[in-house]
Amino acid sequence: NAGVTQTPKFQVLKTGQSMTLQCAQDMNHNSMYWYRQDPGMGLRLIYYSASEGTTDKGEVPNGYNVSRLNKREFSLRLESAAPSQTSVYFCASRVFDEQFFGPGTRLTVL
Amino acid sequence: AQKITQTQPGMFVQEKEAVTLDCTYDTSDQSYGLFWYKQPSSGEMIFLIYQGSYDEQNATEGRYSLNFQKARKSANLVISASQLGDSAMYFCAMREGRGFKTIFGAGTRLFVKA
Repeated sequence: NAGVTQTPKFQVLKTGQSMTLQCAQDMNHNSMYWYRQDPGMGLRLIYYSASEGTTDKGEVPNGYNVSRLNKREFSLRLESAAPSQTSVYFCASRVFDEQFFGPGTRLTVL
Repeated sequence: AQKITQTQPGMFVQEKEAVTLDCTYDTSDQSYGLFWYKQPSSGEMIFLIYQGSYDEQNATEGRYSLNFQKARKSANLVISASQLGDSAMYFCAMREGRGFKTIFGAGTRLFVKA
């Protein structure tokens, strides 16, 4: 039982490049989330998926797209990376009132 | 609009003493949930405790308790008998109603001194 897994752990991109952050959970949770954490700040919600087949915008969705591929997987795509997207990205899944977080992806955009 | 405020950027506590981390919130919803998470230097987010807005008793989980004062819109975390391993960032968070969005405060960094 791996919980929530994220790949990659680290990534460096050049401005304008694209990439997809992968997230998977093996706890059969319906809800999944993507957050970003900037230095000295709390987490901000980018997108969430209440259930398979649905996605909705959070606080800071601009510059991102998501795909809920199936119940297990929820990916985050940066189509044209910008330095302002340098951050740590956390994926989470939720059951009742508890969110389970992945280990995070540290992304640097040069 | 929802808002979470943590006014203590950093706190120091002596090992084995209790410490209170402050959290105030703002919401127009009657139904909401309040959470505390711990983030050690390794970076992972660890769920600590949850309080529902209709819960009559303060939540407790081991050495963690949540001092919920609804009228004052505060949800302070109390850690009893602090341990060196409690040194970390602590985040207060709120989920509105039965919805899916959760907002986080800026966090408080706790330092436990030996």
